[in-house]
Amino acid sequence: EVQLVESGGGLVQPGGSLRLSCEASGFTLSTYWMGWVRQAPGKGLEWVANINPHGSEEYYVDSVKGRFTISRDNAKNSLHLQLNSLRVEDTAVYYCARVDPYNTGWFDFWGQGTLVTVSS
Amino acid sequence: DIQMTQSPSTLSASVGDRVTITCRASQSISTWLAWYQQKPGKAPKVLMYKASNLESGVPSRFSGSGSGTEFTLTISSLQPDDFATYYCQQYNSYSLTFGGGTKVEIK
Repeated sequence: EVQLVESGGGLVQPGGSLRLSCEASGFTLSTYWMGWVRQAPGKGLEWVANINPHGSEEYYVDSVKGRFTISRDNAKNSLHLQLNSLRVEDTAVYYCARVDPYNTGWFDFWGQGTLVTVSS
Repeated sequence: DIQMTQSPSTLSASVGDRVTITCRASQSISTWLAWYQQKPGKAPKVLMYKASNLESGVPSRFSGSGSGTEFTLTISSLQPDDFATYYCQQYNSYSLTFGGGTKVEIK
């Protein structure tokens, strides 16, 4: 059974940093693109970042470029998102998601999400 | 970036109704479109991919159509479990974007 379990969320002040993690199980992580999608309270879904199976290609939404970094450790079955220079508008539930087996860009499995709150 | 516009934003319907949700792309995305269902407090769940392909395990009352810039998600006979928010997502480019969502409410 495919499972994605996020951790690392919490309350942080504006300008602060946080590192989110996603532990993957039930499939071979090293063969899949992976991504992060976020959802601000009461709002819609926003794609944040994707990374290729080997970690050599990364893509980001413009609003987080230069502040967030996606990475992976296939040996430890884990995906990460480093959040720096956090802003109030980064407050959201952050979902880890697996890109489809055809590597075209839709998400076939999602974690339960971890809440990041940026507030003073 | 490609903008995705869904309509309506809210839809009131009854059990048994046929429901159609529209998603428009700001430029052609061929059929690189997925649909998701999300219930309160839960992660999204994929329903359709490549515009009209039903994901495994999704009931056949869901169907998708369209290409280019205009797409629809249809629920042929709305069931109690279908009251949720629906999102479209384009994956024509590496910069992925979602529609704003359509909330299907009980009439």
